[in-house]
Amino acid sequence: DVKVTQSSRYLVKRTGEKVFLECVQDMDHENMFWYRQDPGLGLRLIYFSYDVKMKEKGDIPEGYSVSREKKERFSLILESASTNQTSMYLCASIPRGKYSGNTIYFGEGSWLTVV
Amino acid sequence: ELKVEQNPLFLSMQEGKNYTIYCNYSTTSDRLYWYRQDPGKSLESLFVLLSNGAVKQEGRLMASLDTKARLSTLHITAAVHDLSATYFCAVDAYGGSQGNLIFGKGTKLSVKP
Repeated sequence: DVKVTQSSRYLVKRTGEKVFLECVQDMDHENMFWYRQDPGLGLRLIYFSYDVKMKEKGDIPEGYSVSREKKERFSLILESASTNQTSMYLCASIPRGKYSGNTIYFGEGSWLTVV
Repeated sequence: ELKVEQNPLFLSMQEGKNYTIYCNYSTTSDRLYWYRQDPGKSLESLFVLLSNGAVKQEGRLMASLDTKARLSTLHITAAVHDLSATYFCAVDAYGGSQGNLIFGKGTKLSVKP
């Protein structure tokens, strides 16, 4: 079974703190993603990466950065957390290329509250 | 800009009834996903639809894709309480199956006895 693991399930951070959300996948997938999910807004793409040390902005990158030093690990960084970043964060991965039937696998989610 | 619209957003149905959730998207794409999400949980993959006319079924759920109409449907047959969840459709933003998904806002399904 594909496994996408988000190490922190529930976090409470103070405004201005630096926050790291870690994601590890065990299937040698090239493509990894960070989404956030908010009620009424659905899921929105923050950043994605197609390879080690590569990153691309998604729809809502402001206030976030990412790091992909190893293929299996994709980290989301909030440089200075703000209350409007309180949300559920979902990491996802998929192998590169048009493989028939491939789906995107999601981690369990990280619930972040910024106070 | 690719947009994905689901309707209805809320659906309350009785056990044993049938219903359909609709997913419209605004530009061409060759890949459409359906996911299920239970409260407080992550997304569980239900279907990946790859081509025009594709139909997939799993239990009481059947999904279809019409790429010409840019429409996918998720049909629920003889609903049971266990199907209560939020259902999302998503389309690959660049049609390249790279995983940059644009999601609909989700349909919250509640099945009552």
